[in-house]
Amino acid sequence: ILNVEQSPQSLHVQEGDSTNFTCSFPSSNFYALHWYRWETAKSPEALFVMTLNGDEKKKGRISATLNTKEGYSYLYIKGSQPEDSATYLCAFKPIGSQGNLIFGKGTKLSVKP
Amino acid sequence: NAGVMQNPRHLVRRRGQEARLRCSPMKGHSHVYWYRQLPEEGLKFMVYLQKENIIDESGMPKERFSAEFPKEGPSILRIQQVVRGDSAAYFCASSGRPLMTEAFFGQGTRLTVV
Repeated sequence: ILNVEQSPQSLHVQEGDSTNFTCSFPSSNFYALHWYRWETAKSPEALFVMTLNGDEKKKGRISATLNTKEGYSYLYIKGSQPEDSATYLCAFKPIGSQGNLIFGKGTKLSVKP
Repeated sequence: NAGVMQNPRHLVRRRGQEARLRCSPMKGHSHVYWYRQLPEEGLKFMVYLQKENIIDESGMPKERFSAEFPKEGPSILRIQQVVRGDSAAYFCASSGRPLMTEAFFGQGTRLTVV
């Protein structure tokens, strides 16, 4: 059974703090790793699609790294703002899976002003 | 350019009734994916469709569930004879390219079976 684990489950930080979360996935049959940002009552929004070992992607204050050999990805948020409050999902796509992304349960981030 | 539209947003059905969930993909997108989120669980893949074809239905329960994406109109996820365990949030995503590349999600339909 392919499993994607995210930690921590939830995180409370103060505005201005930098933070990071972890996504662990199977290191074999890797095709891609997706990160999504999901605000309450909205649609999950794609942040990054990562495919290469050692890949690092950045969007504003948010960045992500990928290690396919050991099966983990980190998502970093620099200088958290209240509008960053959301659940951050990662999803693993194995080789040959067609449309099947295997999602973790997410890390719920709350940023207090 | 409207996003992925799902309707209804909330659906209440009695046990034994049928539920029909609709998903209109983004304009120009011909790939549609359905995911389900059970309480306290992550999103779980159900089915991947391209216009008039089911590409991958490996996540669909064997009975009572079916999906279609006709040449014209929205994609439909149909659940016959609903049971309490079908209560969940059902999400649709669409992409212009295959394999869930650059996919956009809808806001989901929350199905409650009473």
